[in-house]
Amino acid sequence: GENVEQHPSTLSVQEGDSAVIKCTYSDSASNYFPWYKQELGKGPQLIIDIRSNVGEKKDQRIAVTLNKTAKHFSLHITETQPEDSAVYFCAAELQGGSEKLVFGKGTKLTVNP
Amino acid sequence: EAGVAQSPRYKIIEKRQSVAFWCNPISGHATLYWYQQILGQGPKLLIQFQNNGVVDDSQLPKDRFSAERLKGVDSTLKIQPAKLEDSAVYLCASSRQGVLQETQYFGPGTRLLVL
Repeated sequence: GENVEQHPSTLSVQEGDSAVIKCTYSDSASNYFPWYKQELGKGPQLIIDIRSNVGEKKDQRIAVTLNKTAKHFSLHITETQPEDSAVYFCAAELQGGSEKLVFGKGTKLTVNP
Repeated sequence: EAGVAQSPRYKIIEKRQSVAFWCNPISGHATLYWYQQILGQGPKLLIQFQNNGVVDDSQLPKDRFSAERLKGVDSTLKIQPAKLEDSAVYLCASSRQGVLQETQYFGPGTRLLVL
């Protein structure tokens, strides 16, 4: 089955710096890769996603890149702000039967003011 | 548009007791998911419903967990009897049709502590 590895598990940056979170996946048939942000006491919220027909997608300060050959994708947050502090999860869609998301273990991002 | 609603938000029980969680998905969403999120890990899918039918329950521990979505709207997840390792956050999510590459919207979760 699909396996998603996420690194680092914790990341601490200064306000204004950039943050990068990386994920690798095992199922070469996966074509959809969402990123979720989870704040304390809340459910995960989709912040950006990428499909396999594109290599990069950007939405204001957030960007995601995908390398299908290497089977890895990354989340880039620029000009970080304290409100970006949260746990971020990558996921890959497992195909065949049910359209199931397999999540990474998460990255706790702390943005220090 | 109202989000996914879940209740209760917190529950503390002793091992071997039973517990039930309730979920109301976003109006009009045909697909409903239950996830288990153990502390420090990502959500893991337990069961997926399409309307009132089960699409995937391959990771549901069926000897103690059960779920239903009788009218294709609300859903309940039950654990009976609970074990210590069931302590986790139980997340409900929904999507419009459950097709490929579709956004899943998550509720706030129910935090379960089994003592």
